[in-house]
Amino acid sequence: DTAVSQTPKYLVTQMGNDKSIKCEQNLGHDTMYWYKQDSKKFLKIMFSYNNKELIINETVPNRFSPKSPDKAHLNLHINSLELGDSAVYFCASSQEDRDSSPLHFGNGTRLTVT
Amino acid sequence: AQSVTQLGSHVSVSEGALVLLRCNYSSSVPPYLFWYVQYPNQGLQLLLKYTSAATLVKGINGFEAEFKKSETSFHLTKPSAHMSDAAEYFCAVTLNTGGFKTIFGAGTRLFVKA
Repeated sequence: DTAVSQTPKYLVTQMGNDKSIKCEQNLGHDTMYWYKQDSKKFLKIMFSYNNKELIINETVPNRFSPKSPDKAHLNLHINSLELGDSAVYFCASSQEDRDSSPLHFGNGTRLTVT
Repeated sequence: AQSVTQLGSHVSVSEGALVLLRCNYSSSVPPYLFWYVQYPNQGLQLLLKYTSAATLVKGINGFEAEFKKSETSFHLTKPSAHMSDAAEYFCAVTLNTGGFKTIFGAGTRLFVKA
C-alpha cells in the first residue's frame, strides 16, 4: 500500500547511457514532482506536473525529460548520462498545486554514473 | 524572494535532552512553512506545517515548532530526545512562481547520544 513508489531503487550505469526512473502515486493527488538530492543532502526541485500538465521546469539540462502519462504517474528519462548526474532522485506528490499542500515523497532512486 | 536558512548543519544531543533545530525564513508575505524528516535511505516525511491558524504547531513524534514573525523564525523543538530521532531534518517554504514549489533548507543532521 505504498503511497509514492519509485523504481528502480538503485541505478548504476556508465556515462553516455540513457536511463529512466518511474514513479507512481496511489494517493489520488493532482500534482507530482521530481527533486534531486546531491551528496550534501541539498534538495532541489526539477519539475512539477499538475494533472499531466507541466507547471515547473527549473534550469535543468534538456537531457532530462519528464513524462506524465496520467496524473498518477510521472517518469523521468535521462539521456547521455554524465558523472554529475549522480545523485538521489526523489519523486513526490501533493494533493493539489497550492502552497499549503505538503509533499509526499517516494524512497528515492540512487543513480550512480561511472 | 522567499527562502529558508537552517543554522547548524549538525546538532548533537544526549538522549532525554531538549532538541532545538533552528530555521529562519525570509518572505515578503506570510509564508507556509514546513518541517520534514529524512531517515537513512528513505524519502522525506512531513513532521508539521504552519499555515497561520496557530503560531505553535504540534507535529508527529512529539515535535513542535513555533512561528515567530518578529524573529522570522520557525524553530523545531522536542522536549526529550530519543535515539530514534537521529535523522536529517529539513525546514521548507513554498513559493508561488506560476506554480507552487517547495524550497528546502540545507538540512540539519541530528545525532542522539546514549
